[in-house]
Amino acid sequence: DSGVTQTPKHLITATGQRVTLRCSPRSGDLSVYWYQQSLDQGLQFLIQYYNGEERAKGNILERFSAQQFPDLHSELNLSSLELGDSALYFCASSVAATRTGNTIYFGEGSWLTVV
Amino acid sequence: EDQVTQSPEALRLQEGESSSLNCSYTVSGLRGLFWYRQDPGKGPEFLFTLYSAGEEKEKERLKATLTKKESFLHITAPKPEDSATYLCAVTSNFGNEKLTFGTGTRLTIIP
Repeated sequence: DSGVTQTPKHLITATGQRVTLRCSPRSGDLSVYWYQQSLDQGLQFLIQYYNGEERAKGNILERFSAQQFPDLHSELNLSSLELGDSALYFCASSVAATRTGNTIYFGEGSWLTVV
Repeated sequence: EDQVTQSPEALRLQEGESSSLNCSYTVSGLRGLFWYRQDPGKGPEFLFTLYSAGEEKEKERLKATLTKKESFLHITAPKPEDSATYLCAVTSNFGNEKLTFGTGTRLTIIP
């Protein structure tokens, strides 16, 4: 158990709908990351928050948005869903940036199926 | 842009047959190189972080090494429970702490 908690574990929704994925980081971790993993593309970085502020953006679609709340949990909002958005969405967390690196721990993921 | 290439894509070994997985990387200032293990439908499980060329780390039957251009994950006398996808990732000194992943090596250990 990495200590990163994600909900829901599975969800099925229709095209055009909106869903929210939730993540609680490990105790003491200030950074939260969101990654998308699809069969044909591997793990792709979406976005990072650090202590409530957006820190970095990756290949995140405009239909997707995220935020980190004062209690450090984070939510990833996916709207106007398309079939191609079906994937495993992972949340990860870490303490903070350090000079020598930063271990990032992953949750178990949220399986999203768009039908 | 940071790039990570892993080889082979898939590897089948007999139980007890040692081998190595390769991770080649291109990064503008390596901050850290990470190895993760991922079981089907699960989140990546952290194994090792390596920071500088020449560094080695071991855990049970796994040993990770690092050079200036690549990393190897050596697996000694593997068991069926070592079957998984092994992912390599890097972070850069420039910018944020995001991980750039390779596509992984799917390892199958046959009893």
